[in-house]
Amino acid sequence: DAGVIQSPRHEVTEMGQEVTLRCKPISGHDYLFWYRQTMMRGLELLIYFNNNVPIDDSGMPEDRFSAKMPNASFSTLKIQPSEPRDSAVYFCASSPTGTGYSHEQFFGPGTRLTVL
Amino acid sequence: GESVGLHLPTLSVQEGDNSIINCAYSNSASDYFIWYKQESGKGPQFIIDIRSNMDKRQGQRVTVLLNKTVKHLSLQIAATQPGDSAVYFCAENTGNQFYFGTGTSLTVIP
Repeated sequence: DAGVIQSPRHEVTEMGQEVTLRCKPISGHDYLFWYRQTMMRGLELLIYFNNNVPIDDSGMPEDRFSAKMPNASFSTLKIQPSEPRDSAVYFCASSPTGTGYSHEQFFGPGTRLTVL
Repeated sequence: GESVGLHLPTLSVQEGDNSIINCAYSNSASDYFIWYKQESGKGPQFIIDIRSNMDKRQGQRVTVLLNKTVKHLSLQIAATQPGDSAVYFCAENTGNQFYFGTGTSLTVIP
Protein backbone atom coordinates (compact mmCIF):
# COMPACT_ATOMS: atom_id res chain seq x y z
CA ASP A 1 0.00 0.00 0.00
CA ALA A 2 1.28 3.46 -0.86
CA GLY A 3 0.07 4.95 2.39
CA VAL A 4 -1.91 8.17 2.64
CA ILE A 5 -1.37 10.31 -0.44
CA GLN A 6 -1.63 14.07 -0.39
CA SER A 7 -1.40 16.60 -3.17
CA PRO A 8 0.04 18.99 -3.85
CA ARG A 9 3.10 18.68 -1.61
CA HIS A 10 3.72 22.40 -1.81
CA GLU A 11 1.36 25.22 -2.66
CA VAL A 12 2.16 28.90 -2.91
CA THR A 13 -0.72 31.24 -3.56
CA GLU A 14 -1.73 34.82 -3.13
CA MET A 15 -4.10 36.14 -0.54
CA GLY A 16 -7.70 35.89 -1.68
CA GLN A 17 -7.18 32.90 -3.92
CA GLU A 18 -8.95 29.59 -3.48
CA VAL A 19 -6.82 26.68 -2.36
CA THR A 20 -7.80 23.01 -2.58
CA LEU A 21 -5.84 20.31 -0.82
CA ARG A 22 -6.39 16.68 -1.69
CA CYS A 23 -6.08 13.41 0.16
CA LYS A 24 -6.36 9.76 -0.70
CA PRO A 25 -6.62 7.65 2.46
CA ILE A 26 -5.37 4.11 2.82
CA SER A 27 -7.80 1.70 1.23
CA GLY A 28 -10.16 0.14 3.73
CA HIS A 29 -9.74 2.81 6.38
CA ASP A 30 -13.01 4.14 7.77
CA TYR A 31 -11.72 7.33 9.34
CA LEU A 32 -10.12 10.35 7.73
CA PHE A 33 -8.67 13.31 9.58
CA TRP A 34 -7.44 16.72 8.50
CA TYR A 35 -4.81 18.44 10.68
CA ARG A 36 -2.98 21.72 10.51
CA GLN A 37 0.51 22.18 11.92
CA THR A 38 2.14 25.52 12.66
CA MET A 39 4.99 26.65 14.82
CA MET A 40 2.58 28.79 16.81
CA ARG A 41 -0.03 26.17 17.63
CA GLY A 42 1.51 22.77 16.94
CA LEU A 43 -0.69 20.04 15.48
CA GLU A 44 -4.42 20.81 15.47
CA LEU A 45 -7.31 18.63 14.38
CA LEU A 46 -9.55 20.47 11.92
CA ILE A 47 -12.18 17.89 11.01
CA TYR A 48 -12.66 14.17 10.76
CA PHE A 49 -14.90 11.83 8.78
CA ASN A 50 -16.22 8.37 9.45
CA ASN A 51 -17.47 6.41 6.45
CA ASN A 52 -17.38 9.62 4.39
CA VAL A 53 -19.59 11.50 6.84
CA PRO A 54 -18.20 14.54 8.71
CA ILE A 55 -18.35 13.77 12.42
CA ASP A 56 -16.69 16.72 14.09
CA ASP A 57 -15.70 19.96 12.39
CA SER A 58 -15.30 22.01 15.54
CA GLY A 59 -11.65 22.53 14.77
CA MET A 60 -12.30 24.24 11.45
CA PRO A 61 -11.11 27.82 11.97
CA GLU A 62 -13.92 29.64 10.19
CA ASP A 63 -16.30 29.57 7.28
CA ARG A 64 -13.48 30.06 4.82
CA PHE A 65 -12.55 26.44 5.44
CA SER A 66 -14.59 23.54 4.12
CA ALA A 67 -13.94 19.83 3.71
CA LYS A 68 -15.65 17.14 1.71
CA MET A 69 -15.35 13.42 1.31
CA PRO A 70 -17.38 12.41 -1.75
CA ASN A 71 -16.24 8.79 -1.55
CA ALA A 72 -14.13 6.45 0.53
CA SER A 73 -10.98 7.13 -1.45
CA PHE A 74 -10.91 10.90 -1.71
CA SER A 75 -11.21 13.99 0.43
CA THR A 76 -10.60 17.69 -0.12
CA LEU A 77 -9.92 20.60 2.18
CA LYS A 78 -10.73 23.94 0.62
CA ILE A 79 -9.84 27.43 1.78
CA GLN A 80 -11.69 30.27 0.11
CA PRO A 81 -10.52 33.00 0.27
CA SER A 82 -7.06 32.19 1.59
CA GLU A 83 -5.21 34.50 3.98
CA PRO A 84 -1.54 34.69 5.01
CA ARG A 85 -2.38 33.31 8.46
CA ASP A 86 -3.52 30.08 6.78
CA SER A 87 0.10 29.32 5.93
CA ALA A 88 0.89 25.98 7.55
CA VAL A 89 1.49 22.33 6.82
CA TYR A 90 -1.78 20.48 6.37
CA PHE A 91 -1.80 16.77 7.11
CA CYS A 92 -4.34 14.16 6.20
CA ALA A 93 -4.47 10.96 8.22
CA SER A 94 -6.57 7.83 8.03
CA SER A 95 -7.27 4.98 10.39
CA PRO A 96 -9.20 1.74 10.37
CA THR A 97 -12.05 1.10 12.75
CA GLY A 98 -10.43 0.21 16.03
CA THR A 99 -10.31 -3.55 16.41
CA GLY A 100 -9.86 -4.28 20.05
CA TYR A 101 -6.74 -2.31 20.59
CA SER A 102 -5.28 0.02 18.06
CA HIS A 103 -6.70 3.24 16.70
CA GLU A 104 -3.46 4.17 15.05
CA GLN A 105 -3.63 7.02 12.58
CA PHE A 106 -1.49 6.91 9.47
CA PHE A 107 -0.36 10.31 8.31
CA GLY A 108 0.31 11.54 4.82
CA PRO A 109 3.42 13.56 3.95
CA GLY A 110 1.55 16.85 4.28
CA THR A 111 0.95 19.85 2.05
CA ARG A 112 3.00 22.92 2.84
CA LEU A 113 0.80 25.93 2.10
CA THR A 114 2.20 29.43 1.80
CA VAL A 115 -0.21 32.31 1.31
CA LEU A 116 1.51 35.52 0.28
CA GLY B 1 5.70 43.13 16.58
CA GLU B 2 7.68 40.05 17.33
CA SER B 3 5.76 36.82 16.91
CA VAL B 4 6.01 34.21 19.62
CA GLY B 5 6.47 30.73 18.29
CA LEU B 6 6.02 27.38 19.90
CA HIS B 7 9.16 26.68 21.91
CA LEU B 8 9.62 22.97 21.87
CA PRO B 9 11.31 21.32 24.79
CA THR B 10 14.62 19.95 23.56
CA LEU B 11 16.67 16.96 24.55
CA SER B 12 20.21 16.24 23.42
CA VAL B 13 21.75 12.84 24.04
CA GLN B 14 24.94 11.09 23.06
CA GLU B 15 24.68 8.29 20.56
CA GLY B 16 24.32 5.03 22.43
CA ASP B 17 22.79 6.57 25.54
CA ASN B 18 19.19 6.05 26.58
CA SER B 19 16.64 8.81 26.02
CA ILE B 20 13.57 9.58 28.08
CA ILE B 21 10.90 11.89 26.71
CA ASN B 22 8.06 12.97 28.94
CA CYS B 23 4.51 14.06 28.29
CA ALA B 24 1.70 15.27 30.52
CA TYR B 25 -1.81 14.65 29.24
CA SER B 26 -4.92 16.49 30.23
CA ASN B 27 -7.98 14.25 30.14
CA SER B 28 -8.35 11.57 32.81
CA ALA B 29 -10.97 9.89 30.58
CA SER B 30 -8.44 9.26 27.79
CA ASP B 31 -8.15 5.54 27.25
CA TYR B 32 -5.49 5.18 24.61
CA PHE B 33 -2.17 6.86 23.98
CA ILE B 34 0.28 6.93 21.12
CA TRP B 35 3.79 8.20 20.68
CA TYR B 36 4.59 9.63 17.26
CA LYS B 37 7.91 10.54 15.70
CA GLN B 38 8.10 13.35 13.18
CA GLU B 39 11.20 13.87 11.09
CA SER B 40 11.82 17.12 9.33
CA GLY B 41 9.58 17.52 6.28
CA LYS B 42 7.53 14.41 7.00
CA GLY B 43 4.26 13.49 8.65
CA PRO B 44 4.08 11.99 12.14
CA GLN B 45 4.91 8.29 12.26
CA PHE B 46 3.57 5.80 14.79
CA ILE B 47 6.11 4.46 17.28
CA ILE B 48 4.25 2.70 20.06
CA ASP B 49 0.89 2.77 21.78
CA ILE B 50 -0.59 1.84 25.14
CA ARG B 51 -4.07 1.46 26.53
CA SER B 52 -5.10 2.90 29.86
CA ASN B 53 -5.42 -0.55 31.46
CA MET B 54 -1.66 -1.00 31.14
CA ASP B 55 1.22 0.88 32.74
CA LYS B 56 4.05 -0.34 30.54
CA ARG B 57 4.53 -1.57 27.02
CA GLN B 58 7.71 -2.47 25.21
CA GLY B 59 8.62 -2.43 21.58
CA GLN B 60 11.87 -2.68 19.72
CA ARG B 61 14.24 -0.32 21.57
CA VAL B 62 11.29 1.68 22.88
CA THR B 63 9.25 1.48 26.06
CA VAL B 64 6.20 3.52 26.99
CA LEU B 65 5.26 4.07 30.62
CA LEU B 66 1.86 5.34 31.70
CA ASN B 67 1.12 6.83 35.11
CA LYS B 68 -2.60 7.53 35.24
CA THR B 69 -2.43 8.91 38.76
CA VAL B 70 -0.48 11.95 37.63
CA LYS B 71 -1.54 11.79 33.96
CA HIS B 72 1.98 11.30 32.76
CA LEU B 73 3.37 9.39 29.81
CA SER B 74 6.99 8.72 28.99
CA LEU B 75 8.88 7.27 26.05
CA GLN B 76 12.18 5.56 26.64
CA ILE B 77 14.50 4.93 23.71
CA ALA B 78 17.33 2.52 24.35
CA ALA B 79 20.74 2.93 22.71
CA THR B 80 19.73 6.11 20.92
CA GLN B 81 20.92 6.38 17.32
CA PRO B 82 21.38 9.39 15.01
CA GLY B 83 18.29 8.27 13.08
CA ASP B 84 16.24 8.84 16.23
CA SER B 85 16.71 12.61 15.92
CA ALA B 86 13.22 14.01 15.41
CA VAL B 87 10.32 15.65 17.19
CA TYR B 88 8.34 13.25 19.37
CA PHE B 89 4.65 13.80 20.13
CA CYS B 90 2.40 12.06 22.57
CA ALA B 91 -1.28 11.85 21.67
CA GLU B 92 -4.20 11.00 23.90
CA ASN B 93 -7.38 9.49 22.54
CA THR B 94 -10.85 10.23 23.80
CA GLY B 95 -13.57 8.71 21.69
CA ASN B 96 -12.19 8.84 18.17
CA GLN B 97 -10.32 12.08 18.57
CA PHE B 98 -6.63 12.46 19.23
CA TYR B 99 -5.17 15.43 21.03
CA PHE B 100 -1.51 16.01 20.44
CA GLY B 101 1.08 17.44 22.77
CA THR B 102 3.41 20.16 21.59
CA GLY B 103 6.28 17.76 21.08
CA THR B 104 9.87 17.36 22.22
CA SER B 105 12.80 17.79 19.87
CA LEU B 106 15.40 15.05 20.28
CA THR B 107 18.91 15.58 18.95
CA VAL B 108 21.36 12.71 18.97
CA ILE B 109 25.01 13.72 19.11
CA PRO B 110 27.27 11.31 17.24
